[in-house]
Amino acid sequence: SAVISQKPSRDICQRGTSLTIQCQVDSQVTMMFWYRQQPGQSLTLIATANQGSEATYESGFVIDKFPISRPNLTFSTLTVSNMSPEDSSIYLCSVGSGRETQYFGPGTRLLVL
Amino acid sequence: QKEVEQDPGPLSVPEGAIVSLNCTYSNSAFQYFMWYRQYSRKGPELLMYTYSSGNKEDGRFTAQVDKSSKYISLFIRDSQPSDSATYLCAMSGPLGNRDDKIIFGKGTRLHILP
Repeated sequence: SAVISQKPSRDICQRGTSLTIQCQVDSQVTMMFWYRQQPGQSLTLIATANQGSEATYESGFVIDKFPISRPNLTFSTLTVSNMSPEDSSIYLCSVGSGRETQYFGPGTRLLVL
Repeated sequence: QKEVEQDPGPLSVPEGAIVSLNCTYSNSAFQYFMWYRQYSRKGPELLMYTYSSGNKEDGRFTAQVDKSSKYISLFIRDSQPSDSATYLCAMSGPLGNRDDKIIFGKGTRLHILP
């Protein structure tokens, strides 16, 4: 299993600003995933972050809006840029252990005013 | 038609009852089927995993997959107040396939009444 922590746990931000979310894993992992969970919506994959390469973004998500860093095998950051109220959501990082197992962090609850 | 459909609930049942949670899906390429449990203000945690069709039992939990009907279920026996959570179904296709991304349902909120 993997233990994942995220910072901050929650934040309230003004529109037009940016927020960087940190994700720390207690073991070295090749791939880290960033998800968004909007109220009443499915958990949606934003991007996959591999250490040493550019993140791979899913349809509908772009690097300019959600830049990701992956400086080592235990850490990643997701930045939500130029925020609008539509970005209010829970952001979760995750690591995988094969197809069937994904461990999630506790999430970062973001409210954009 | 959405790829994965799941009734959001809420579903309220008395303690000790059998709970049935369900998802339907449209993509016949899905082979891996998962159920996650998410407590309030926590991240999802994997509860059950099934490959292809069939049943899988783990304590009070049973997962069923009917690929012919594109229908999966999670049964909780002797439900407890601690089972109150949101249950997310998830599924994916073969690794390396264009369908290998994990697709989640919206989740069903379950309340077990003491």
